[in-house]
Amino acid sequence: GENVGLHLPTLSVQEGDNSIINCAYSNSASDYFIWYKQESGKGPQFIIDIRSNMDKRQGQRVTVLLNKTVKHLSLQIAATQPGDSAVYFCAEKVLGGGADGLTFGKGTHLIIQP
Amino acid sequence: EPEVTQTPSHQVTQMGQEVILRCVPISNHLYFYWYRQILGQKVEFLVSFYNNEISEKSEIFDDQFSVERPDGSNFTLKIRSTKLEDSAMYFCASSERGQGASGNTIYFGEGSWLTVV
Repeated sequence: GENVGLHLPTLSVQEGDNSIINCAYSNSASDYFIWYKQESGKGPQFIIDIRSNMDKRQGQRVTVLLNKTVKHLSLQIAATQPGDSAVYFCAEKVLGGGADGLTFGKGTHLIIQP
Repeated sequence: EPEVTQTPSHQVTQMGQEVILRCVPISNHLYFYWYRQILGQKVEFLVSFYNNEISEKSEIFDDQFSVERPDGSNFTLKIRSTKLEDSAMYFCASSERGQGASGNTIYFGEGSWLTVV
């Protein structure tokens, strides 16, 4: 079936390095994507979103890249800090599909090493 | 920063009992949602609510589940007869506009951890 999934369940990076978290999606109709961060015991926190008419979108220390050809989404975090340690989820949605619900991936656990 | 608040933070209930999870969405938001996350699994959409009615629900949201906005501030999720597999973290969320609308952000609460025994 169609699903949103992640390549790696755990990613460990040195503090100060850049990190890249990947997400693969298989629903070609999806045209809206969001990255969420979830710290232990907390709810998902919105990081950044992107629509399918864009390839790249930048926020504060974060960049989301969308490759529709291979149905791949990535989140780049620059100069990682200890506070970036969390589980990161990508989520997808079909805009205008009459559906409100987001489909989440399983999550990648980002570990920042000192 | 405005936030979605949820109560209780943790509830333990006997199988077959009714549970009500409460949420106070952000005050100027019009769209409300419930999601759940079984331990170690991904976040799953349950239901969305707009203009005092359900706008969408997933397959998970069966007849055992119901939502209500009893007053101008609260948004509740009721599970009529809990089952062991209902044990999960339940997240309430709200947004000013519909999901995917330009400039919209969906805010999640801290979650209510439900344990059914």
